[in-house]
Amino acid sequence: GENVEQHPSTLSVQEGDSAVIKCTYSDSASNYFPWYKQELGKRPQLIIDIRSNVGEKKDQRIAVTLNKTAKHFSLHITETQPEDSAVYFCAAIPSGGYQKVTFGIGTKLQVIP
Amino acid sequence: NAGVTQTPKFQVLKTGQSMTLQCAQDMNHEYMSWYRQDPGMGLRLIHYSVGAGITDQGEVPNGYNVSRSTTEDFPLRLLSAAPSQTSVYFCASSYRGQEAFFGQGTRLTVV
Repeated sequence: GENVEQHPSTLSVQEGDSAVIKCTYSDSASNYFPWYKQELGKRPQLIIDIRSNVGEKKDQRIAVTLNKTAKHFSLHITETQPEDSAVYFCAAIPSGGYQKVTFGIGTKLQVIP
Repeated sequence: NAGVTQTPKFQVLKTGQSMTLQCAQDMNHEYMSWYRQDPGMGLRLIHYSVGAGITDQGEVPNGYNVSRSTTEDFPLRLLSAAPSQTSVYFCASSYRGQEAFFGQGTRLTVV
């Protein structure tokens, strides 16, 4: 099955700086790569995703890049704000989707005002 | 559109008791799953289902049972609760393993 590694596990940045979280995956058949944000005491929610036919996707201050050759993908948050403080999870999902979905261990991002 | 409804939100059990966590979705999603979330451990998959009548084990299935008699419902049963099962539990559903929609979570304490 798919194995997803995520790092760093914690990340502190000053407000206004950029934050980068990286994930690697093992299954070359994976073709869907979502990122979830979980605020304290709340449920995880999708913030951005990318499919294997795209190398980069951007949505305002967040972007995701994918390197299929190296089997890694990254979440980039620019101009960080205190409300970006949360835990972020990545996942890598094989084509067809009829398999168990496993997540990275999560990155706790703290944005210091 | 309710999405994924998970109950209860909080529960305290005594060691050895059994209980069922309920999960229902109204999006006609084939794929449903249960995760537990512990500090520093991320979201660990307990059981999952790819359709009515089909279930399979995830990463940490011991001590838990599931069934999927309908597309909408995917209950998680704790057979004999243990303190090691103290955790936050999330149910999720998705269309073919794509974007996952999570329930509100259940904070379970076993004493």
